[in-house]
Amino acid sequence: GNSVTQMEGPVTLSEEAFLTINCTYTATGYPSLFWYVQYPGEGLQLLLKATKADDKGSNKGFEATYRKETTSFHLEKGSVQVSDSAVYFCALKSQGGSEKLVFGKGTKLTVNP
Amino acid sequence: ETGVTQSPTHLIKTRGQQVTLRCSSQSGHNTVSWYQQALGQGPQFIFQYYREEENGRGNFPPRFSGLQFPNYSSELNVNALELDDSALYLCASSPSAQRGDYGYTFGSGTRLTVV
Repeated sequence: GNSVTQMEGPVTLSEEAFLTINCTYTATGYPSLFWYVQYPGEGLQLLLKATKADDKGSNKGFEATYRKETTSFHLEKGSVQVSDSAVYFCALKSQGGSEKLVFGKGTKLTVNP
Repeated sequence: ETGVTQSPTHLIKTRGQQVTLRCSSQSGHNTVSWYQQALGQGPQFIFQYYREEENGRGNFPPRFSGLQFPNYSSELNVNALELDDSALYLCASSPSAQRGDYGYTFGSGTRLTVV
């Protein structure tokens, strides 16, 4: 079945450091890929998405590129801020059938000033 | 434009009881999905409703059931609560179950504790 594997956290960085959170997936066909962010005590917010191979999603300085050859969708940000501290979830939605999202387990990011 | 609203925000129930959680979808969205997020885990798909019909179900027992109303709001019902049902329950809405290039809008969730 479809699955998503994220690098395990927690990840602790200093402000202005470079961030990479690895995400790989297993799916049939051509899924859509997403990154969601969850701030403490809140629901999930869509951060960025990509719907086909080589697409790059970007938002708020975060980027991720849909790599079909490596089945990956790694999240990157060049310079993190304290306000980026949150839990980040990689997710996929496969074609056809019910339009459900399959999530990774999440990676907790803490950015220190 | 209002987002997805869920109620209640927190709930404590006793094992064996029944619970109903509610969700109002974002304006213009006709599809509602429910997810269970256990502590420290990613959300797990429970089921989805599209135009008042169930449109897919995850690996959850029948004691998890739902409804969608003509205004596209939705309820999640859980019977015979078990301790392992303690989790954050998230509702997500989307414009259509037929399109594949959008993201879902999530509510803030209902934190259910079963004691």
